[in-house]
Amino acid sequence: AQTVTQSQPEMSVQEAETVTLSCTYDTSESDYYLFWYKQPPSRQMILVIRQEAYKQQNATENRFSVNFQKAAKSFSLKISDSQLGDAAMYFCASNSNSGYALNFGKGTSLLVTP
Amino acid sequence: NAGVMQNPRHLVRRRGQEARLRCSPMKGHSHVYWYRQLPEEGLKFMVYLQKENIIDESGMPKERFSAEFPKEGPSILRIQQVVRGDSAAYFCASSPGPNSNYGYTFGSGTRLTVV
Repeated sequence: AQTVTQSQPEMSVQEAETVTLSCTYDTSESDYYLFWYKQPPSRQMILVIRQEAYKQQNATENRFSVNFQKAAKSFSLKISDSQLGDAAMYFCASNSNSGYALNFGKGTSLLVTP
Repeated sequence: NAGVMQNPRHLVRRRGQEARLRCSPMKGHSHVYWYRQLPEEGLKFMVYLQKENIIDESGMPKERFSAEFPKEGPSILRIQQVVRGDSAAYFCASSPGPNSNYGYTFGSGTRLTVV
């Protein structure tokens, strides 16, 4: 079974600074997708960014970017110019072998301080 | 486009009662997924349905839990004879096709509390 590990239960960053959230995963597949989801207090799961494993180029969405290291099975999320609205739980996820289910890590709680 | 709609948002049930959770997928989406989020945990896959068909229920507990997605109307996750351990947030997601390669669209979840 695929597993996703987020080793940082909590992280803190000052407004306007940069923070990196870590994620490692385990899979035997050669083709898969990786995701970061944001869950604010409203509980809504919001897709932040996705990465196709066969693409070497790291995905970027505005202030959010990833560092995808396929050989190391690492998929970290970098948030630049942090804003108060970035405070949330962040979940890393991967496709399962079935292609439709997602495997989630336990999440990292991000606190943004003024 | 109203997105994925789940109701109720909060549900309180006494032990032994039944819980029915509803999910209306995004317009044009015919693939529905249910996930459960226990406290301090990530989401865990429960079941994948298409209209009138259960495709994969490998994540569903063997007893008391069932799901359906009828031809008309929302998808329903039904939990019979609830126990305290069923207390969790239950999320529904939908997609236009049978894979998660582009991520899904999630609803806001139903928080079930069993007292």
